Amino acid sequence: NAGVTQTPKFQVLKTGQSMTLQCAQDMNHEYMSWYRQDPGMGLRLIHYSVGAGITDQGEVPNGYNVSRSTTEDFPLRLLSAAPSQTSVYFCASSPGTSTGELFFGEGSRLTVL
Amino acid sequence: GNSVTQMEGPVTLSEEAFLTINCTYTATGYPSLFWYVQYPGEGLQLLLKATKADDKGSNKGFEATYRKETTSFHLEKGSVQVSDSAVYFCALRPGAGGTSYGKLTFGQGTILTVHP
Repeated sequence: NAGVTQTPKFQVLKTGQSMTLQCAQDMNHEYMSWYRQDPGMGLRLIHYSVGAGITDQGEVPNGYNVSRSTTEDFPLRLLSAAPSQTSVYFCASSPGTSTGELFFGEGSRLTVL
Repeated sequence: GNSVTQMEGPVTLSEEAFLTINCTYTATGYPSLFWYVQYPGEGLQLLLKATKADDKGSNKGFEATYRKETTSFHLEKGSVQVSDSAVYFCALRPGAGGTSYGKLTFGQGTILTVHP
């Protein structure tokens, strides 16, 4: 029962470095999304995808890129990391049904120095 | 736009006490409402949900009723346990369907600590 798998769990970057947070799901869900969690602000949507080849921006997309080449994978790329991107990142997936439930990964804690 | 407001925390209770965490929302149309729970070091998991007005979601002794007239979805539990210590998030999904399925709007979260 893998569900939604995120890697890495922890990462420290220097300002200006780039990296990719990986996300994979094995539930054949159409919808995938990335959120960031910051103290006192809940979860905010960064990018989402409604299927392979289709992505769109969420509430806080600046500084992040995504692609969806397969149903299973939805990587999040930071092209030039900034301290403001220090956060905990969650990937989630959802079936294309009216229940709307999201299934979350365990999170990736990113620190940008 | 859509928004969710939760009561400010943190909330600290003794075991077996009654719990209420308030949640109100702003949304157009008929959103679905959710409570998620995040245990330390883990991702979020669905606690309960309600998809239309007057629905009551329930799970693990927790309950919440979708009140459209007061735009609220307050979380309650009659007798909390130490194992309920976690962060609780109220969330809504717009009622438009289609691309809204994967997009939730979350409240800021409420930290609950239960002491023995």
